[in-house]
Amino acid sequence: RKEVEQDPGPFNVPEGATVAFNCTYSNSASQSFFWYRQDCRKEPKLLMSVYSSGNEDGRFTAQLNRASQYISLLIRDSKLSDSATYLCVVNSYNQAGTALIFGKGTTLSVSS
Amino acid sequence: GAGVSQSPSNKVTEKGKDVELRCDPISGHTALYWYRQRLGQGLEFLIYFQGNSAPDKSGLPSDRFSAERTGESVSTLTIQRTQQEDSAVYLCASRIPGQGSGYTFGSGTRLTVV
Repeated sequence: RKEVEQDPGPFNVPEGATVAFNCTYSNSASQSFFWYRQDCRKEPKLLMSVYSSGNEDGRFTAQLNRASQYISLLIRDSKLSDSATYLCVVNSYNQAGTALIFGKGTTLSVSS
Repeated sequence: GAGVSQSPSNKVTEKGKDVELRCDPISGHTALYWYRQRLGQGLEFLIYFQGNSAPDKSGLPSDRFSAERTGESVSTLTIQRTQQEDSAVYLCASRIPGQGSGYTFGSGTRLTVV
């Protein structure tokens, strides 16, 4: 099983739609979770951290289910500018230290 | 500096040559990571530095790859005897260690081996 798995998509949605992305991770000892956004040929940028209690930032809501090792991202009222690849990221600790493990990303295309 | 700085931004090299990529992390960010992203692929972890601790080199794909870091500042990633499969964007990220803290990425070095 891959450490971090995401549905690659693409998700093609109209403006104003609500879209949800899911992610599962294999290392139950993982401590921190993030969603990053990556635009074409650009570096990843932090979108939001994910907390056990769930957290919201404007139109974006992130949820974490530790028991199921599952993370989600909900985008409401999609905008054209939301078109990007969304990366599920898990901070895993091992004997050597810690490393961010990236999912391969889910591609979102919002059209007018 | 204000962000993570990487140089060069683009590098074209001939197969078999050595290349050196540089990363200047954000001042005060003691943790530094190198990742590789091939075209259309996800990010692959290469190596991690944290302060004066021994680096986590578990992601380096072969002994042609090595990285150094001077204290808590500049890091260089060296690829010896480059191969065409080394062509990728090499991304550096830094952060202040601690749970929940996000990482800041540089804009990467696009390496093309011809």
